[in-house]
Amino acid sequence: GIQVEQSPPDLILQEGANSTLRCNFSDSVNNLQWFHQNPWGQLINLFYIPSGTKQNGRLSATTVATERYSLLYISSSQTTDSGVYFCAVRLYYDYKLSFGAGTTVTVRA
Amino acid sequence: NAGVTQTPKFRILKIGQSMTLQCTQDMNHNYMYWYRQDPGMGLKLIYYSVGAGITDKGEVPNGYNVSRSTTEDFPLRLELAAPSQTSVYFCAVGDSEAFFGQGTRLTVV
Repeated sequence: GIQVEQSPPDLILQEGANSTLRCNFSDSVNNLQWFHQNPWGQLINLFYIPSGTKQNGRLSATTVATERYSLLYISSSQTTDSGVYFCAVRLYYDYKLSFGAGTTVTVRA
Repeated sequence: NAGVTQTPKFRILKIGQSMTLQCTQDMNHNYMYWYRQDPGMGLKLIYYSVGAGITDKGEVPNGYNVSRSTTEDFPLRLELAAPSQTSVYFCAVGDSEAFFGQGTRLTVV
């Protein structure tokens, strides 16, 4: 099956800092999503981005499908950005939505 | 518009007991998924469905069964609960972008 690798596994930031999270995948995909799992366990949709660039407030994401990676940018981080960020992908020829292991982000005041 | 509804939110089972986790959607999507998330870990796919009457195994199907008789409902059945099934269970729905329910926290003692 498809391999989804996220890096770094852990990230500690000072409030106000910027950061980049990466998601590499091993095959061609027709669905790529970024989720934020908050400290209460809820999975929040951030971006549906099989290709291209999107921005939503302080967050933005870019997927380069031909090179099989996606990046999530967090700017001016806040303590509420803490949690786990997951990348999930679905292959063109498959129905399964497969997750990476996540990046745990801790933002300190 | 409830989106994706999971019940119950919490449950404690004794070893060997059975239960059904319910997942209902009002989004009229064909694709539905069941995941489990162990503490500190990522999401693993248990079963998925691409439409009424069609189900397939994911990465970790052993000990679980599913059915999909309607578009709206995708119940997950545990027949003989084991401590290894202690986890948080998430249902997801989405033909393109996927959306998650609030999760069911299950403890088997």
